[in-house]
Amino acid sequence: GAGVSQSPSNKVTEKGKDVELRCDPISGHTALYWYRQSLGQGLEFLIYFQGNSAPDKSGLPSDRFSAERTGGSVSTLTIQRTQQEDSAVYLCASSSPQDRFYEQYFGPGTRLTVT
Amino acid sequence: AQSVTQPDIHITVSEGASLELRCNYSYGATPYLFWYVQSPGQGLQLLLKYFSGDTLVQGIKGFEAEFKRSQSSFNLRKPSVHWSDAAEYFCAVGGFGNEKLTFGTGTRLTIIP
Repeated sequence: GAGVSQSPSNKVTEKGKDVELRCDPISGHTALYWYRQSLGQGLEFLIYFQGNSAPDKSGLPSDRFSAERTGGSVSTLTIQRTQQEDSAVYLCASSSPQDRFYEQYFGPGTRLTVT
Repeated sequence: AQSVTQPDIHITVSEGASLELRCNYSYGATPYLFWYVQSPGQGLQLLLKYFSGDTLVQGIKGFEAEFKRSQSSFNLRKPSVHWSDAAEYFCAVGGFGNEKLTFGTGTRLTIIP
């Protein structure tokens, strides 16, 4: 079946602009995660959605970052007033409720460049 | 707080040689441990995982890892590397009821002929 998809694959934006990054999880996966991968920094957790529960936003670095998940499926990560330090690869992952060991399936990522 | 340390930023290995990538973790309860691989321009793919039981786990592509609780380590090994193993490798830790994984900073593996 189809894996996790993300769009766009690349995004170049000017400092101060808003951007939206999209994630389509694997069908039937109720958990969805966003991570940020900066050069030499590994993966940094941003936000986690599980079913209809309130999202865990504890990893969002500032109030310029927000995310929503509509209909329990597609998620959008929004970065307002982008800064150069926001340049990174943003990865989305999803996992199945049947997988008690939380195996996460990752999308290919969106590479964001803020100029 | 949980954390993962991958002390080797970059490793170069000859094709056919053995490989060991180091991973040390800190976690306050029984850890769930993972190794992921990321090829250039690709997302992360799960190589193997450990939750309980046998401390030596087998994964895909001929990789294995050994959980050593006394050393808080979960090192990844492969007896003979192939050129296609060149990639970035990430170790991660989570736990029961803790869906957020904490990743290490990764080890980049280069294979030379």
